[in-house]
Amino acid sequence: AQKVTQAQTEISVVEKEDVTLDCVYETRDTTYYLFWYKQPPSGELVFLIRRNSFDEQNEISGRYSWNFQKSTSSFNFTITASQVVDSAVYFCALIYNQGGKLIFGQGTELSVKP
Amino acid sequence: GAGVSQSPSNKVTEKGKDVELRCDPISGHTALYWYRQRLGQGLEFLIYFQGNSAPDKSGLPSDRFSAERTGESVSTLTIQRTQQEDSAVYLCASSSGLAGTDTQYFGPGTRLTVL
Repeated sequence: AQKVTQAQTEISVVEKEDVTLDCVYETRDTTYYLFWYKQPPSGELVFLIRRNSFDEQNEISGRYSWNFQKSTSSFNFTITASQVVDSAVYFCALIYNQGGKLIFGQGTELSVKP
Repeated sequence: GAGVSQSPSNKVTEKGKDVELRCDPISGHTALYWYRQRLGQGLEFLIYFQGNSAPDKSGLPSDRFSAERTGESVSTLTIQRTQQEDSAVYLCASSSGLAGTDTQYFGPGTRLTVL
């Protein structure tokens, strides 16, 4: 079965704290693609990052970083020095080799308070 | 346009009426997807188009739901005899490439309310 689990439903932090959003996935395919999307209060889903299963390099983009570990089937997302504008629902998602649909986790609602 | 566009942005209808939701993908994107997001829940896949054929429509919840696409452009999602449980935000996405594994870019969604 193909599945994405985001165990953290809600996280609340104070501005400037670091925060890590967890994502665990299940797939039997050896080729797959992982994604993170941000959904701010406006509602539109914003693409953040894509990773394919052959590339386990961690990625850093400004205050955002991603840790992909195949050994634990995890693709965690860290925001360093969080800001109020980071408040949103964050979704982790998977496309497996067959292609087509994104399989989403349930999302983690992040609230960053000033 | 630069991004995926959807219309209308909001739709309020009465139970039993038919509705049509429209999606304009990013120019040049061959793949188009429909998802549904009920209040406070995750995103459910509905249907995937590659060109104007639908290799995967496994997510359509009932035969009241149908979708079509004209070539590699506009798609319409039709819900017949709407029910209150159809109330949700309907999101459209598009991607380039033929494998269906490329990054999907989402539109702003249509919020459907069935009274």
